[in-house]
Amino acid sequence: EPEVTQTPSHQVTQMGQEVILRCVPISNHLYFYWYRQILGQKVEFLVSFYNNEISEKSEIFDDQFSVERPDGSNFTLKIRSTKLEDSAMYFCASSLGQGNEKLFFGSGTQLSVL
Amino acid sequence: RKEVEQDPGPFNVPEGATVAFNCTYSNSASQSFFWYRQDCRKEPKLLMSVYSSGNEDGRFTAQLNRASQYISLLIRDSKLSDSATYLCVVNYGAGRRALTFGSGTRLQVQP
Repeated sequence: EPEVTQTPSHQVTQMGQEVILRCVPISNHLYFYWYRQILGQKVEFLVSFYNNEISEKSEIFDDQFSVERPDGSNFTLKIRSTKLEDSAMYFCASSLGQGNEKLFFGSGTQLSVL
Repeated sequence: RKEVEQDPGPFNVPEGATVAFNCTYSNSASQSFFWYRQDCRKEPKLLMSVYSSGNEDGRFTAQLNRASQYISLLIRDSKLSDSATYLCVVNYGAGRRALTFGSGTRLQVQP
């Protein structure tokens, strides 16, 4: 079965540093997403991306966050100046769209901000 | 009030038992409903969509009550491999694609 891949699986960074989390969505999918899950808490929506632009974002996704699809396969999440509270598991997901809401999630990047 | 509310559990049941989870959602305009399964420190995986008429997939049955804003999941003949956290998930529709997750109900099936 095709899958969403994320790299790295773990990322440790110092507070104030920039990080880029990488994802390769499933190749024929049209919608891409980032979600995060702080340890012990629920999965939270960050942003959705379609046709090379953000289609929806949550309150969490402030000016410190940005997303990009730099080429035909990668989808990245950048956090400009990390804070301690950004420590979480970040999940990338993709879906076919066009009425098919089934999301396929990657295995996540565990971000630890020290 | 939480948007999607679930009993956190844990539910500890013996193998072969039937167990039911409930979920309530606050937004009456919600349009799509799902149960996801999440293993410890892993990604959520879609278990099943939930339809107004109720639907069944093997040992799993999902029900939706729009009037009460209530969703349920029934697992029959529990297996050890069913041990996981079950996430109630809602999409509000109206062009929005974001999924709103509940905090999950933890199930532990014991031998």
